Amino acid sequence: QKEVEQNSGPLSVPEGAIASLNCTYSDRGSQSFFWYRQYSGKSPELIMFIYSNGDKEDGRFTAQLNKASQYVSLLIRDSQPSDSATYLCAVNNAGGTSYGKLTFGQGTILTVHP
Amino acid sequence: GAVVSQHPSRVICKSGTSVKIECRSLDFQATTMFWYRQFPKQSLMLMATSNEGSKATYEQGVEKDKFLINHASLTLSTLTVTSAHPEDSSFYICSARKGGGAYNSPLHFGNGTRLTVT
Repeated sequence: QKEVEQNSGPLSVPEGAIASLNCTYSDRGSQSFFWYRQYSGKSPELIMFIYSNGDKEDGRFTAQLNKASQYVSLLIRDSQPSDSATYLCAVNNAGGTSYGKLTFGQGTILTVHP
Repeated sequence: GAVVSQHPSRVICKSGTSVKIECRSLDFQATTMFWYRQFPKQSLMLMATSNEGSKATYEQGVEKDKFLINHASLTLSTLTVTSAHPEDSSFYICSARKGGGAYNSPLHFGNGTRLTVT
């Protein structure tokens, strides 16, 4: 069973702070990792993707990947109330019958309060 | 802008009837599309992989005769929930890789279909 684990939260941060979201995965062969944002009642929206160990920055968002520890994280700098949503970590399955499929974590609810 | 279009966004049907949901890739061809289902306060669960020109592949526990998938063209996949029951009420979301991307490229999601079976 390929698993993706996230702390369901809720994670509450003040406006302007850094929000840190974490995710671990079980499939060592996974090659690509994604963060999606989902507002209540809406479908997921791609925020970031990362393939290589290290950091990848895009605006206020930074994704961090450590394949040895099977750990991926998302940092949101200067958090805004509009960032309040559920953040889903997704991992691309490495092979076999699961080739190319994404497995999602249960999501972390983030609340940014003014 | 949106790269995957899904219709309808919301549907209410009576128990025992069938409902068809359409998923279209916009401005690109998608030989493979994925259908997910999401129950309240839960994450996305993959139901099936839709393959253009061939049979869909279903995840374990998903009834292929109940959830009929047709991928007749490179831009359209349909999911038909047959003989719907209240327990089928859920948020159904399709997805595709833009531009026929490699297996590890991001999935883009349609806006989802909220199905309520009464």
